[in-house]
Amino acid sequence: EVQLVESGGGLVQPGGSLTLSCAVSGFTFSSAWMTWVRQAPGKGLEWVANINEDGSAKYYMDSVKGRFTISRDNAKNSLSLHMNSLRADDTAVYYCARNYVRGTFDYWGQGTLVTVSS
Amino acid sequence: EVVLTQSPATLSLSPGERATLSCRASQTVDSYLAWYQQRPGQAPRLLIYDASVRVIDVPTRFSGSGSGTDFTLTISSLEPEDFAIYYCQQRRYWPPFTFGPGTRVDLK
Repeated sequence: EVQLVESGGGLVQPGGSLTLSCAVSGFTFSSAWMTWVRQAPGKGLEWVANINEDGSAKYYMDSVKGRFTISRDNAKNSLSLHMNSLRADDTAVYYCARNYVRGTFDYWGQGTLVTVSS
Repeated sequence: EVVLTQSPATLSLSPGERATLSCRASQTVDSYLAWYQQRPGQAPRLLIYDASVRVIDVPTRFSGSGSGTDFTLTISSLEPEDFAIYYCQQRRYWPPFTFGPGTRVDLK
């Protein structure tokens, strides 16, 4: 059974940092592109970042470039999102997802809530 | 950036009725369009990809069509569990991958 389990969300002050993790099982993690997608409260879905199979290629939405870093540890079947300089508009549920074909997201975690507030 | 527009914003229907949801792209995305369902409090679920390919274990009442800039998700006969929000998403031009704003299908 495929499972993606996010963790690391919480309340953080504006300007602060947070690292999200996604533990993966049930498929060959090292063969899959992976993605973070977020959803602000009551809003739609927004793609955040992608990483290729070996971590050598990373892509970001414009508003997080230079602040967020996506990474992976294939030995630990783990995906991460390190977030710096957090802003109120980064408040959202963050989902990790597998790319079935590049840019189509077939398995999703349950999400972890990040709240940026003073 | 490819902008996706979905219509209507809300569709109020009864169980057993047919639902027709539209997604329009600001430029051609060929057939690189997916549909997701999101029930309250749950993660999105992939239903259809590449415009018309239904994911295994998705009921056959869900079908997708279209290419270029105009796409449709059809639910042939609504079941109670189908009342949810549906998002389209393109992967033709990225980054960024973009989603539409969603269509809410609710109970009339």
